[in-house]
Amino acid sequence: QKEVEQNSGPLSVPEGAIASLNCTYSDRGSQSFFWYRQYSGKSPELIMFIYSNGDKEDGRFTAQLNKASQYVSLLIRDSQPSDSATYLCAVNYAFQKLVFGTGTRLLVSP
Amino acid sequence: KAGVTQTPRYLIKTRGQQVTLSCSPISGHRSVSWYQQTPGQGLQFLFEYFSETQRNKGNFPGRFSGRQFSNSRSEMNVSTLELGDSALYLCASSGGTPGTSRYNEQFFGPGTRLTVL
Repeated sequence: QKEVEQNSGPLSVPEGAIASLNCTYSDRGSQSFFWYRQYSGKSPELIMFIYSNGDKEDGRFTAQLNKASQYVSLLIRDSQPSDSATYLCAVNYAFQKLVFGTGTRLLVSP
Repeated sequence: KAGVTQTPRYLIKTRGQQVTLSCSPISGHRSVSWYQQTPGQGLQFLFEYFSETQRNKGNFPGRFSGRQFSNSRSEMNVSTLELGDSALYLCASSGGTPGTSRYNEQFFGPGTRLTVL
């Protein structure tokens, strides 16, 4: 059973702070990793993907991957109230099959 | 470029009925995946189609089926509905070139909210 684990939260951070979201996965053979953001009542929106060990930055978002530790994280710098959402970590397996974690709810307070 | 579209957006059915949901992928995308999202189980993979062929299937009963047409549009069908089938059904399309870093990126549609009474 391929699993993806996330802390359900909520993770509460003040506006302007760095939010750190974490995810672990069970299958060492996994190659591609995704972070989705989902607002309440909406569908998931892809915000970052990462394939190689290390960091990948896109604007205020940084994804970090450590395949040896089977660990993926997402950092959100200068957090804004509009970042308040559920963040889903997903791992891709064969043929576009994504296995999702249960998501971490992020609350950014003004 | 238009995004993924799904119809209908909302459905109410009763137990024992069947339902068909439709998904139109982003223009040029040939892979369509279906997911079920519930508060208790989260997002779970149903199946994936590419060029009218089912390439992968999740752990759902045979009441859940799908197909893909030559224009890449996809439908999923649920027969003999049960109360537990109430969920948000999401379709995702991907269209990156195999072997490239964008190959596995999936973009979700707005979903169909199914309520079974």
